[in-house]
Amino acid sequence: DSGVTQTPKHLITATGQRVTLRCSPRSGDLSVYWYQQSLDQGLQFLIQYYNGEERAKGNILERFSAQQFPDLHSELNLSSLELGDSALYFCASSDTAGGYTFGSGTRLTVV
Amino acid sequence: LAKTTQPISMDSYEGQEVNITCSHNNIATNDYITWYQQFPSQGPRFIIQGYKTKVTNEVASLFIPADRKSSTLSLPRVSLSDTAVYYCLVEGRDTGRRALTFGSGTRLQVQP
Repeated sequence: DSGVTQTPKHLITATGQRVTLRCSPRSGDLSVYWYQQSLDQGLQFLIQYYNGEERAKGNILERFSAQQFPDLHSELNLSSLELGDSALYFCASSDTAGGYTFGSGTRLTVV
Repeated sequence: LAKTTQPISMDSYEGQEVNITCSHNNIATNDYITWYQQFPSQGPRFIIQGYKTKVTNEVASLFIPADRKSSTLSLPRVSLSDTAVYYCLVEGRDTGRRALTFGSGTRLQVQP
């Protein structure tokens, strides 16, 4: 157990639908990062939050959004889903000086 | 951000030492070199981090020459369970924590 909790582990949904992925960071970590990894592809950075504020954006589509709540958990919202959105979505957290810890991911399948 | 270059894939046999070299020619003075390991369908896992010379932990060693333009991850006596993708990253230690930028990584296949 890395300390970063992601739910659900698996999600199957239809095209056009909307889903929400949840991430609870490691205790004490203020930063949360979301990554997307398609089949046999590298990890693509989507977005970062720090203590509730958006810190950085990567290759995140306009159909995707995220937020970090006062208790520091984060949610990634994916809407108008397309087949190409099928991927593993990872959340990572970090403190101000330590390493990055990744969760075990949510596998999203869009059918 | 400093770009990293590492081999796409490597093959080895159980019990051998594996060395994966990463080039990072544009590394900045305050950058650290970090290696992550990723198994299929799992999140990356921190292996080792260093700034210069040599760092060793219970899993691996990291060799960094004086010019810091490259680094070598050394895995002693690999086993089948070391089959994974290994990512070399250059991480700045300036204010705030930037998102990590992952390259393609090195896919290590360990055979019996």
